[in-house]
Amino acid sequence: AQKITQTQPGMFVQEKEAVTLDCTYDTSDQSYGLFWYKQPSSGEMIFLIYQGSYDEQNATEGRYSLNFQKARKSANLVISASQLGDSAMYFCAMRDRGSTLGRLYFGRGTQLTVWP
Amino acid sequence: NAGVMQNPRHLVRRRGQEARLRCSPMKGHSHVYWYRQLPEEGLKFMVYLQKENIIDESGMPKERFSAEFPKEGPSILRIQQVVRGDSAAYFCASSRDRDEPQHFGDGTRLSIL
Repeated sequence: AQKITQTQPGMFVQEKEAVTLDCTYDTSDQSYGLFWYKQPSSGEMIFLIYQGSYDEQNATEGRYSLNFQKARKSANLVISASQLGDSAMYFCAMRDRGSTLGRLYFGRGTQLTVWP
Repeated sequence: NAGVMQNPRHLVRRRGQEARLRCSPMKGHSHVYWYRQLPEEGLKFMVYLQKENIIDESGMPKERFSAEFPKEGPSILRIQQVVRGDSAAYFCASSRDRDEPQHFGDGTRLSIL
């Protein structure tokens, strides 16, 4: 079974608008962490934001916020005031106890395109 | 640049040759992870190392692939007798602690002729 599911292969948003990228996860652990990474066309992986399963507040980092709904097992990324430079592939990832500690499970990604 | 350093950025090998990919973690980070990304896919975990120890290699193919993280020097991912299917982007990540966010290098794009 997929640990991380990103159902939107592609998303389009106009500059200055907000956009939500969906992510659902599957784990039976109580302790886990959720991450979002950005991969521009140049290929590097850029860490954006982290949410721990015990964190009571939704994580925020600048224009990025994570809409964490534990009961629904969703961890959607919200980008406010989109910029042209936000166009990239976005990956949701999870770390849980699983069979080992440390490894991240990644979704297949969502390609975000910001248009003027 | 205090980030995770990977080299080379691009590597071309012929079938049957060996590929060596290097990764220097961020300063203060002793946990290193290797991931592989095939075209149009997310990253797949390969191996997790701490200094001189392999913690988890369950994602690494049993044959031809090996990884090390010596006491001195970078972590090395080694692929022997490369085949076309090894063509991919290989990413290294590091963290200060197992529970801290992982920071990634720019990746090595391996192409097999």
